[in-house]
Order: sequence, then C-alpha cells, then structure tokens
Amino acid sequence: NAGVTQTPKFQVLKTGQSMTLQCAQDMNHEYMSWYRQDPGMGLRLIHYSVGAGITDQGEVPNGYNVSRSTTEDFPLRLLSAAPSQTSVYFCASSRTSGGYNEQFFGPGTRLTVL
Amino acid sequence: KNEVEQSPQNLTAQEGEFITINCSYSVGISALHWLQQHPGGGIVSLFMLSSGKKKHGRLIATINIQEKHSSLHITASHPRDSAVYICAVVKGGNQFYFGTGTSLTVIP
Repeated sequence: NAGVTQTPKFQVLKTGQSMTLQCAQDMNHEYMSWYRQDPGMGLRLIHYSVGAGITDQGEVPNGYNVSRSTTEDFPLRLLSAAPSQTSVYFCASSRTSGGYNEQFFGPGTRLTVL
Repeated sequence: KNEVEQSPQNLTAQEGEFITINCSYSVGISALHWLQQHPGGGIVSLFMLSSGKKKHGRLIATINIQEKHSSLHITASHPRDSAVYICAVVKGGNQFYFGTGTSLTVIP
C-alpha cells in the first residue's frame, strides 16, 4: 500500500493563479480531509468528505473548492491564489468518519503564493 | 482563543526522563487524538481516545472527559522521541480542531 499520496510536494504560484493539489489513498477509506498548517496556528481543517459524492466545509474553507468523485481521490482546488494561502497543506484519510479511527496523513505540499 | 490548548509549548529533557505533555479543551468532544510530527514534517497518529487510558510501548495517553483534559506521557525518553506532539479534538463527529503542538527535544 502506498497509503496517502500528495502531489506536488512543492509549488510556487503567482497571485490570481489557480491550481489543484492532488490527494489519493489506496486503503479504501471513507473519510478524507484537507488541512493547512501555518506557523503558530497549528493545523486547521479546510474541507472534508465522508464518502464519494459527499463533502463539507471545515474551519477555513474560503478560497478552496473540493469534490469527491471516487473513494480514492480528493483534490483541493485553489480558485484564485492569494498570498494568505501560502502554507503547508496536508491530506489525511481514515477508515470511517466520526473521528474514532486512526488518521493517516500524506507527506504534505508546501505552497508559496507570490 | 484556540479551543485546544497544549502545554508546554517547548520541552527539553535528558535521555531517560519521564515526560508529560498536557492538552486542555473547552468544548464537548466525541474523541481526542494525539499525533506526532517528525522533524521532516511527516505526521503520524499515536492514539485515539474517547475515554480512559491507552498504552503503546513507552507512550501512554489518558483522558478525563469531565475535566476536559488529556495527557501524553513518554517513559524512558530517547533522542528519537524528539518531535512535535499535537493534540486534536473532534467535534460533531467529523470536525477536527488542533492544538499548536509541543516541541520536544530529548538530549543524549
């Protein structure tokens, strides 16, 4: 099993550009989520999904879009990048929803918006 | 104000010492997680708790639901335990809220 994979590992964007951060898992997990990690702020939940076709907002959803067309993939779209979106982004998955299961994290994507 | 508070923020210990990291939260939760973030940035799950106590090797995690408090203990600490330890609580079943982490350095 590859576990949770994220691409790219690093990305530099200019203000206003759009891009998609990819996340995939091969463990048949129902729950997938996206977080951003900023210095002094800790991890914050952006969006999550409890299964294919079902997504919901987390604590900081503005400026981000998600969809879940398959169990395996959960891409995060930045619609119009802003410097405030400079961060490290982590994707995670767990067997089921409800927070009662071990969370598996991807390696992260470091994004810089100029 | 963060809903999850961890203490201490930074901790330096000598190899072999017993270590305690604390986590307090202000809201009702369905579960609490302890995570470890390695110096390279990778995050791994250590424990999920909804009550009581769990032990894995030299790590012990406890939670007191009434007092809204959890502790992570490391016995016989080792330099390889050096990492950031993060407490996360789950509200409403799916919403995770994280503490800012405790940075632990274990000196040989």
